Formats: sequence, C-alpha cells, structure tokens
Amino acid sequence: AQRVTQPEKLLSVFKGAPVELKCNYSYSGSPELFWYVQYSRQRLQLLLRHISRESIKGFTADLNKGETSFHLKKPFAQEEDSAMYYCALRFSGTYKYIFGTGTRLKVLA
Amino acid sequence: DVKVTQSSRYLVKRTGEKVFLECVQDMDHENMFWYRQDPGLGLRLIYFSYDVKMKEKGDIPEGYSVSREKKERFSLILESASTNQTSMYLCASTRQEITREQYFGPGTRLTVT
Repeated sequence: AQRVTQPEKLLSVFKGAPVELKCNYSYSGSPELFWYVQYSRQRLQLLLRHISRESIKGFTADLNKGETSFHLKKPFAQEEDSAMYYCALRFSGTYKYIFGTGTRLKVLA
Repeated sequence: DVKVTQSSRYLVKRTGEKVFLECVQDMDHENMFWYRQDPGLGLRLIYFSYDVKMKEKGDIPEGYSVSREKKERFSLILESASTNQTSMYLCASTRQEITREQYFGPGTRLTVT
C-alpha cells in the first residue's frame, strides 16, 4: 500500500544544533516528494520539492530511492524553524497526494 | 500571489445538520482538494476535483460530498454532520502541470456538538 511515514511526532533540538526530520515512503511508481511546513497560526505552505533540488531557509532534502527516504535536513537550527512539518508524495500520473502524519519541530533557545 | 480563501475560520454545528464549507481560489487553478487535518493523523484527502463538475474520491470520502460548478469554487458538504467530523478542514488548489505545488487555504475549524 502507498504510504508516507514520519516516525517522529515531536523533535526537540537546541538552537544551532543539526536537524533531521525523517520521511520514508512506500510507492511502487516514480514518486514526486515534497516537504510542507505550517508555522503557528499560518497556512500550510510548500518548503521544498525533490525535483527542484533547492535549498530553502537552509533546509535540504535528498531523495534516496534505495532507502525510499526523503529526509529533511538543516545544519544549524534556528528558533524560527519551530513549526509542523509534513512530508507529502504525489502519485505519478495523477493529481492525488498523500501526506505523512507530521513532525512538530521545537527549537529551544 | 495565489489566494485560496475559505468561507469560515470557525464553525459550530449540531449533529445532523447539513454543513457547507466553501473554498475559492483566484489563480485559475484546474485542481482543487479538500483535506481534513487531525492531530496524529496528518492530512487526509477527502475529495479532489480536476475540472468543473469533475470529482474523485480521496481516502476518506464517507459522510462527505463535493460540488464544483465553477472553476474557482469547490464546496465540501457534510450531509448530516456527526461528532466524528469535528476537525480542521483544509482546501488546496494547484495548476494542472506547471508547478504541482499545492496552495492551501487558512482552514476551517469545524466543531460538531
């Protein structure tokens, strides 16, 4: 079955520490993967997508097809990174997406 | 700037009532989506629409229906609201091909008592 798994509900790190939010997927086709972020009292918004291979706000994510993972990383966490992060997969050839259950990141001063 | 708006931020309804949630986007997007967002469950797709009058069921369509009479508007209907439909409802839209990024509305927090 197609699935996106985010194993951590909550991740707490200190400011300046490295961050890695895990995302694993199960999908037999060619996946298109995204990370979305929701800051407090704001709407959900795109952070980055694997096809762009971009770095946004210092975050990067590499698609590892062998491990079926798309982990989100940042070398030095900032307090403003505190938010809810969702990993999402779009089924190839369709408009359908599935989202993971989300990881709340708390960056402590 | 893409704008996706939802008719209400907060809504309180009684069990058995018919509930309409409205979503409007102003960027001529072909695709529109309704999700519900619950703690520990993430976002779950209820319905999506890829064109006017076209719709497809998502993962949890039971108890819901949708209407898309105009390209910019996508309505979610709870025919007979129940307490287990208390949730945050998010609308999203996307262009058909170009970016595939979903643009989300602010959400409607529905409480069914």
